[in-house]
Amino acid sequence: DGGITQSPKYLFRKEGQNVTLSCEQNLNHDAMYWYRQDPGQGLRLIYYSQIVNDFQKGDIAEGYSVSREKKESFPLTVTSAQKNPTAFYLCASSMGREDYGYTFGSGTRLTVV
Amino acid sequence: QKEVEQNSGPLSVPEGAIASLNCTYSDRGSQSFFWYRQYSGKSPELIMSIYSNGDKEDGRFTAQLNKASQYVSLLIRDSQPSDSATYLCAVRGDSGGYQKVTFGTGTKLQVIP
Repeated sequence: DGGITQSPKYLFRKEGQNVTLSCEQNLNHDAMYWYRQDPGQGLRLIYYSQIVNDFQKGDIAEGYSVSREKKESFPLTVTSAQKNPTAFYLCASSMGREDYGYTFGSGTRLTVV
Repeated sequence: QKEVEQNSGPLSVPEGAIASLNCTYSDRGSQSFFWYRQYSGKSPELIMSIYSNGDKEDGRFTAQLNKASQYVSLLIRDSQPSDSATYLCAVRGDSGGYQKVTFGTGTKLQVIP
């Protein structure tokens, strides 16, 4: 079955540590996205990529980094520069055409300990 | 002013009733509109998309779009307890090459058995 796989489901980060969230899709979608969801707030865009080897900053990119070396993969690194990383992180993909919505992965819940 | 506004709820309806969820948006150039359902602790799931003024029906769901008034709504007929979730409105704007999608904060729906 086609879909998006995010791992791990839960992640704990110590102060000053970088962590990487995995996102893999087998939908043959061109575009991939990372969103962050906090209680009481809408989904906020961190980074997006419309094509392999190219990505753009979203609204809240500071403290995060991404790569897009393969069409199927779009990992997100939460760096130590991100001061408030505790959140629910969602990866999504789309065909890139305006008449398709997003398919989301199951999410990664990151907690700072 | 928020770009996409939704009443956070909760909206409580009895089982079998019609649930009406509303969303307003600020970007007049918006082209595509989506409704996602998000169960507690889970990721969003696309349930409806609409692009033209008027109604679009899919099973028990009807999306309504009025571009002149800048609102989009979702009607759920014969509401079931399994419909209890948060419903996110998403709007895709028209900003050049990348069509940014903005999400509302969601309306929590409670269907009372």
